[in-house]
Amino acid sequence: QLQLQESGPGLVRPSETLSLTCTVSGGFISSRDFYWGWIRQPPEKGLDWIGSIYHTGSTTYNPSLKSRVTMSVDTSKNQFSLRLSSVTAADMAVYYCARLGSGSNVPWWSLDVWGKGTTVTVSS
Amino acid sequence: QSALTQPASVSGSPGQSITISCTGTNSDVGSYNLVSWYQQHPGKAPQLMIYEVNKRPSGISNRFSGSKSGNTASLTISGLQAEDEADYYCCSYAGSSTHVLFGGGTKLTVL
Repeated sequence: QLQLQESGPGLVRPSETLSLTCTVSGGFISSRDFYWGWIRQPPEKGLDWIGSIYHTGSTTYNPSLKSRVTMSVDTSKNQFSLRLSSVTAADMAVYYCARLGSGSNVPWWSLDVWGKGTTVTVSS
Repeated sequence: QSALTQPASVSGSPGQSITISCTGTNSDVGSYNLVSWYQQHPGKAPQLMIYEVNKRPSGISNRFSGSKSGNTASLTISGLQAEDEADYYCCSYAGSSTHVLFGGGTKLTVL
């Protein structure tokens, strides 16, 4: 059964860079049928799409965050990562990684497997 | 791109049916039959309930159903149960430059 697990510092200082990693287990990140995405949820607010990455390294970012976001993938470790630069209090949220179906035999453009989420606080 | 529009809250009594709407534009909901719905209980990760407008993943109750008309998608929950009380989010494919767009979320209260 596929599982995703987010990891990274829970505390980031303002103006610094947030770095998170999502480890995929029970499946292969190099599957042709899936992208791998990041979603965040500020306290008491809704879900906010950050972006996605394919195993080839191809990325798609939310235009509102594009200038500050970098995603990468390490197929040898079955991991993908998120970097968000110049963080402010507005970036405080629970960050989720999830699998996004892009093949014809899977839930198409749906997030069918999610990690449990990791809380990121921005404070000096 | 703006988020998809959902009502902030809906409520219903046990056994009743409720419908949550999700309004987008010709660039997302209206252009693709690729709307999904997620249920989120407090402190938990979202769970996929409906994909491709009206398909249910394995293990999801048939009390959950989805539909779409024009730029508006809908999630209907029939035979409302206490455990259905949660936040619900719609999501639509929005093209290759963005991939997906979320709705603002709807809090369902079971009275």
